[in-house]
Amino acid sequence: RKEVEQDPGPFNVPEGATVAFNCTYSNSASQSFFWYRQDCRKEPKLLMSVYSSGNEDGRFTAQLNRASQYISLLIRDSKLSDSATYLCVVNVDSSASKIIFGSGTRLSIRP
Amino acid sequence: DAGVIQSPRHEVTEMGQEVTLRCKPISGHNSLFWYRQTMMRGLELLIYFNNNVPIDDSGMPEDRFSAKMPNASFSTLKIQPSEPRDSAVYFCASSTTANTEAFFGQGTRLTVV
Repeated sequence: RKEVEQDPGPFNVPEGATVAFNCTYSNSASQSFFWYRQDCRKEPKLLMSVYSSGNEDGRFTAQLNRASQYISLLIRDSKLSDSATYLCVVNVDSSASKIIFGSGTRLSIRP
Repeated sequence: DAGVIQSPRHEVTEMGQEVTLRCKPISGHNSLFWYRQTMMRGLELLIYFNNNVPIDDSGMPEDRFSAKMPNASFSTLKIQPSEPRDSAVYFCASSTTANTEAFFGQGTRLTVV
């Protein structure tokens, strides 16, 4: 089983739609969680951290469910500029910096 | 700060040749990561260092791959001999502690022919 798994997509949704991605992780001791965004032929960049209580940043909401070992990302009122690959990221080793990326979910927003 | 700096940006080499990728992490960051990205396998963690010490190299695909971090401001990833299946984008990233954001370099696009 992979340490971090996510649906590869692609998700193709119309502008203005709400879209959600889920990601599961295997190590229950994992301590920190993130969502990254990667544009075509660019490096990944942090979109947002994921906190236990859930957190929101504008149109983006991230949630963590430790009991079921998954994290989610919700994008509301999607824009054309949201088209990208979204990577689920987990620090799977609480004593060190083992940061593992999911394979990414491709999102395409159509006009 | 200039961010994480990788060189070269692009590398085309013949099978069997030695390839060395270089990375300069952000000053003050004590963790450094090497990742490889392909369409088939996504972003794979190859090896990471804490305070210049390799912590986990279980992601290194085989003995042809080696990585060093001689000091806090420089790391190399070497492939010897290179093979066509090594063709990928290799990213270096750095962070301050285990629970903070990892900043990526722009990557080295390696093509082995």
